Amino acid sequence: KAGVTQTPRYLIKTRGQQVTLSCSPISGHRSVSWYQQTPGQGLQFLFEYFSETQRNKGNFPGRFSGRQFSNSRSEMNVSTLELGDSALYLCASTTTRTDTQYFGPGTRLTVL
Amino acid sequence: AQSVTQLDSQVPVFEEAPVELRCNYSSSVSVYLFWYVQYPNQGLQLLLKYLSGSTLVESINGFEAEFNKSQTSFHLRKPSVHISDTAEYFCAVSAARNSGNTPLVFGKGTRLSVIA
Repeated sequence: KAGVTQTPRYLIKTRGQQVTLSCSPISGHRSVSWYQQTPGQGLQFLFEYFSETQRNKGNFPGRFSGRQFSNSRSEMNVSTLELGDSALYLCASTTTRTDTQYFGPGTRLTVL
Repeated sequence: AQSVTQLDSQVPVFEEAPVELRCNYSSSVSVYLFWYVQYPNQGLQLLLKYLSGSTLVESINGFEAEFNKSQTSFHLRKPSVHISDTAEYFCAVSAARNSGNTPLVFGKGTRLSVIA
């Protein structure tokens, strides 16, 4: 099976812009979670989608949003970018049977 | 809520020496425990996990970890490290549930540096 894929792998944006990141889960996985990784805060949970519904949400401002499509692919959007949004954004997929999250390679976002 | 403490931010070790990366967790409910490894400019790779059953779990590349409920620990060990083991290692915990996924809570990571 192919693993979790994320596009694009690298992005450079400027403050105030918005950005959309995409994640395709492992085939058959219906749950997709997003995490932000920064040197200062480490790995932090953003949100989780299951069957097109947001099931869990972390402690991030409303500028961070996401959605999931009927084929389980997910997107996350960050509006009004700030310098502090520079991070590696990781997507993970899982099934309820395994309770184990498998991660993609991440999207490296740089905000200038 | 759960929390994870990785007691060492950096661990240097000589090649072929043993290593232990320490992880302690806190939770008021039953948990699942994981170790992930991250190589430079890559995502997280699952190394091993404890969901239930035997408290000693092993990975295919020689790592093992033991779930110790009384000490709330899940330390990672390898009897003989290789240069290729140089990476950042993350311990993570999630609440065990009968169904559905729960978010992972990660430790700050331990950078393992293997010295030739």
